[in-house]
Amino acid sequence: RKEVEQDPGPFNVPEGATVAFNCTYSNSASQSFFWYRQDCRKEPKLLMSVYSSGNEDGRFTAQLNRASQYISLLIRDSKLSDSATYLCVVKGGYQKVTFGTGTKLQVIP
Amino acid sequence: GAGVSQSPRYKVAKRGQDVALRCDPISGHVSLFWYQQALGQGPEFLTYFQNEAQLDKSGLPSDRFFAERPEGSVSTLKIQRTQQEDSAVYLCASSFRGQSGSYEQYFGPGTRLTVT
Repeated sequence: RKEVEQDPGPFNVPEGATVAFNCTYSNSASQSFFWYRQDCRKEPKLLMSVYSSGNEDGRFTAQLNRASQYISLLIRDSKLSDSATYLCVVKGGYQKVTFGTGTKLQVIP
Repeated sequence: GAGVSQSPRYKVAKRGQDVALRCDPISGHVSLFWYQQALGQGPEFLTYFQNEAQLDKSGLPSDRFFAERPEGSVSTLKIQRTQQEDSAVYLCASSFRGQSGSYEQYFGPGTRLTVT
């Protein structure tokens, strides 16, 4: 089983739709969680950290469920510019970071 | 301000050649990471430096891969006797904090290595 698993997609959604991605992780000792965004042929960029209490940044909401070992990302009112690959990132102890394979989102006009 | 830079951006190597990939992290960033990203996959961790110390090299796929950061700033990833399976994008990332505190990795644009 991979340490961090994501549905690769693609998720094809119309503009204005709400879309949610899940990510599961296997190491219960994982300490920190993030969502990164990666555009085609570009480097990953931090979208948001994920806190135990859940957190929101504009149209984006991230949640963590430690008991079930998954994190989620919800995007409301999808824009064409949201089209990208969304990478789930899990950090264990001592800076070891594991990326998921990414979920590809395509927002359609 | 200047972000993480990597050079070269593209490298074509014949199988068996040695290559050296350079990473210039953001000035003052303590931590530096190397990742390998194959097409359609997420970045795979290769190695981690805190200043000049290589604290984790568990992700290096073979002893043909070697990384260094002798003065705690610029880092070089060297691949000896390249193989076709080494073809990938090699990403470098740096972050400000060490083992605790805020943790955001800033990525460079990557070096796309093609081994023919």
